[in-house]
Amino acid sequence: DADVTQTPRNRITKTGKRIMLECSQTKGHDRMYWYRQDPGLGLRLIYYSFDVKDINKGEISDGYSVSRQAQAKFSLSLESAIPNQTALYFCATQLAGGYNEQFFGPGTRLTVL
Amino acid sequence: AQSVTQLGSHVSVSEGALVLLRCNYSSSVPPYLFWYVQYPNQGLQLLLKYTSAATLVKGINGFEAEFKKSETSFHLTKPSAHMSDAAEYFCAVSDMTGTASKLTFGTGTRLQVTL
Repeated sequence: DADVTQTPRNRITKTGKRIMLECSQTKGHDRMYWYRQDPGLGLRLIYYSFDVKDINKGEISDGYSVSRQAQAKFSLSLESAIPNQTALYFCATQLAGGYNEQFFGPGTRLTVL
Repeated sequence: AQSVTQLGSHVSVSEGALVLLRCNYSSSVPPYLFWYVQYPNQGLQLLLKYTSAATLVKGINGFEAEFKKSETSFHLTKPSAHMSDAAEYFCAVSDMTGTASKLTFGTGTRLQVTL
């Protein structure tokens, strides 16, 4: 079984709709991250959480919100989706310590029409 | 502030040829550096990382990278490319300021391997 899972894997929605992307992990890591990937731009950090009570904005948090429901679950919400939020979204987990690698989920491809 | 520059968004090599993917970083503190690979329709997985031990780091699938502080570089190499190496490669630097330890990624280099 995958250590980091994301649901849904693909989603098409319309402008103005609320949508939630979910991430679950079985690695027991405290740190979790949400990134978006756009062609030619690499991965950009949206939000990150170092434990259940710690939520921090990344470089591109506008238009997004998150919820850390448990150590193993970290959800990303788009309150009112817009077309420029069409992207590939990745969740990642990490043991505490910047020298530790991040483990990525398989991604969610989101299309906003 | 930290940043990563990957020179060349697309690199094409012949099977059996040397692979060289370039990464330069900027960091105000000693960096941790990473190379990740993304195969089609998959998430990223770690190839190798530099954490201030040996400057020449060996990773999976025959890849290695050398940390050169004087050149602020961490280029990725493989002596002989294989068709299965075709993927997108990302260099990343870790920010250790304060209590944060976030990754900043480069824009990626897509490697094509031809017969």
